[in-house]
Amino acid sequence: NAGVTQTPKFRILKIGQSMTLQCAQDMNHNYMYWYRQDPGMGLKLIYYSVGAGITDKGEVPNGYNVSRSTTEDFPLRLELAAPSQTSVYFCASSYFGTSSTDTQYFGPGTRLTVL
Amino acid sequence: AQTVTQSQPEMSVQEAETVTLSCTYDTSESDYYLFWYKQPPSRQMILVIRQEAYKQQNATENRFSVNFQKAAKSFSLKISDSQLGDAAMYFCAYRGMDSNYQLIWGAGTKLIIKP
Repeated sequence: NAGVTQTPKFRILKIGQSMTLQCAQDMNHNYMYWYRQDPGMGLKLIYYSVGAGITDKGEVPNGYNVSRSTTEDFPLRLELAAPSQTSVYFCASSYFGTSSTDTQYFGPGTRLTVL
Repeated sequence: AQTVTQSQPEMSVQEAETVTLSCTYDTSESDYYLFWYKQPPSRQMILVIRQEAYKQQNATENRFSVNFQKAAKSFSLKISDSQLGDAAMYFCAYRGMDSNYQLIWGAGTKLIIKP
C-alpha cells in the first residue's frame, strides 16, 4: 500500500514550456485534490475531483488543467509555464462516504521551478 | 468566506516540555471539521489530529491534544513531552460542510525543539 505517490519530485521548466505532474493513489479514495504551497504560506487548492470523470476548480485554477479518467490517477497539467507557478505542488486524496473520516492523505510533493 | 489564522510564525520549546500552538478561524457555519497537520523538512503533510465541531470533547492523540473553543472560534494544539522529532511546520486547517470539501489553511507555525 503506497498511499499517494507523485512524480517527479523536482523539475525545472523554462518559461512557456508545458508539463504534467503525475499523482496516483491506491486507497480507493473517491476524492482527489491538487494544492500548491508557496514559500511561507499554507496550501491553496488548484483543482479537485469527486470521482472519475468529475473535476472542479479550486481557489487558484488559472494556468492549470486536470483530468480524472480513473479512480486512481489525477494528473495536473501546466500549460505555458510562468515564473508565478514556481511552487511546491501537493496531491491529496480522501474517502467521502457514509462512514468515512474524510481525512485527506498527502503525497510527498513536487518542487517546481520556472525560470 | 472562511479564514484560518495562525498568529505565531515561530515557536520554540525545550525538549520534554509542553508547547501550545494557536489557531483561530472565522466561519458562519455551525458544523465543520478542524485539523492540525505537521510538515517536517521532508515536506510530507501528516495529519496530527482532527476535531468535529459538533463534538464537545477535545480530541487527543497520544502526546497531542486540542483545546477547541467553538464560541471563541479557537482551536489550539498542545504538544506534551516535546521530542526532537516534533520539529516541523504545523498547519491548522478548516473544512466546512458547504465548501465542496475544500480545506482552508492557515499560514503555519514553525516549531523548534531545543535539546
